[in-house]
Amino acid sequence: AQSVTQLDSQVPVFEEAPVELRCNYSSSVSVYLFWYVQYPNQGLQLLLKYLSGSTLVESINGFEAEFNKSQTSFHLRKPSVHISDTAEYFCAVNSLRGGADGLTFGKGTHLIIQP
Amino acid sequence: GAVVSQHPSWVICKSGTSVKIECRSLDFQATTMFWYRQFPKQSLMLMATSNEGSKATYEQGVEKDKFLINHASLTLSTLTVTSAHPEDSSFYICSARDARSGNTIYFGEGSWLTVV
Repeated sequence: AQSVTQLDSQVPVFEEAPVELRCNYSSSVSVYLFWYVQYPNQGLQLLLKYLSGSTLVESINGFEAEFNKSQTSFHLRKPSVHISDTAEYFCAVNSLRGGADGLTFGKGTHLIIQP
Repeated sequence: GAVVSQHPSWVICKSGTSVKIECRSLDFQATTMFWYRQFPKQSLMLMATSNEGSKATYEQGVEKDKFLINHASLTLSTLTVTSAHPEDSSFYICSARDARSGNTIYFGEGSWLTVV
């Protein structure tokens, strides 16, 4: 079985400040790791993913996440946030067992950007 | 990039009726699709795994006779909520696995179901 823990249900930050959204996972097998973003009244969009290779992965809008196997973490960071980053962020894992499993999601972190 | 289309985006139905939601992979073939449900202010919960040409695999606690899943082709899976009740009102979202890109999973935009 696998699980995902997002410790912070809500993170308020000021515009242009840095932010880190925490994600820890547990799994008995190797996993793929994902961050999805859900803007108000919209579906999920893939933000970034770690499949293999470099442990630091980046998105096109300035977010990055680093896979830390020893700490079983995949925290999401951005050095300077914008009002448009206000959204719900979900961390998710998918086991490598032949691709037969669906994603396991964390409970989500609501990022609130204050002007 | 890969696109998953979900239809309808919004649907309101009367209690006791059935409603069908479609999930299509537009530019790739998906042997596996997934259906999730999201209640307000909660995370997504996997309902079932839809396998092309075979029966869906349901998660514990999900009634297979109530949530009918059909995956008749490599690009289409449907979820039918039968005899819907107000407690079935939720956000339903599908996803499809793209084997071409390391099994990355792409999501549809979701369907808001309101049962009145």
